[in-house]
Amino acid sequence: DAKTTQPNSMESNEEEPVHLPCNHSTISGTDYIHWYRQLPSQGPEYVIHGLTSNVNNRMASLAIAEDRKSSTLILHRATLRDAAVYYCIDDMRFGAGTRLTVKP
Amino acid sequence: ETGVTQTPRHLVMGMTNKKSLKCEQHLGHNAMYWYKQSAKKPLELMFVYNFKEQTENNSVPSRFSPECPNSSHLFLHLHTLQPEDSALYLCASSREAGRPSYEQYFGPGTRLTVT
Repeated sequence: DAKTTQPNSMESNEEEPVHLPCNHSTISGTDYIHWYRQLPSQGPEYVIHGLTSNVNNRMASLAIAEDRKSSTLILHRATLRDAAVYYCIDDMRFGAGTRLTVKP
Repeated sequence: ETGVTQTPRHLVMGMTNKKSLKCEQHLGHNAMYWYKQSAKKPLELMFVYNFKEQTENNSVPSRFSPECPNSSHLFLHLHTLQPEDSALYLCASSREAGRPSYEQYFGPGTRLTVT
């Protein structure tokens, strides 16, 4: 079973920032935090990962709490193409993820 | 396009058939994975191969038989499947298995229907 917990669903308005939370209650010191997303009818797509420090790439930003028990994926300006199921994982076991809906 | 291809994209087979799923990665990775994604269930890791050696089998029934002839190719041989095996089968690759810093790249999946 997955070790992370995420809200089942979230909604956002187009061109607004989105903060997707994740709890890593049993994370170990060497586990990296990975985020993936799965668009409809596609395989999961790597988004970002980190260990302790906040990370930025062209797709998103990842904020990691100091105790590493939680992380937040930040989409700075949501687009309709960002509508997907977002998964956070810390031991390569996928949970149910958060279904993000983006409203025009 | 992630550099991981899977064929066929769709497959319908009877319970007595034998078929194979194929996965190929063009990323120079050394680890390959099979996942199963059933409706309304999380992705389930089935098998892991690292440098062509199987390193993980998550209690998968023997009617699923993986094969990894080299680091670029992965097969899943199917025989005498059950209707509950109908699912999306996803292949993924990474630079090396067992290294938590390495991300995985997924193929588009094979949609399998067992009749």
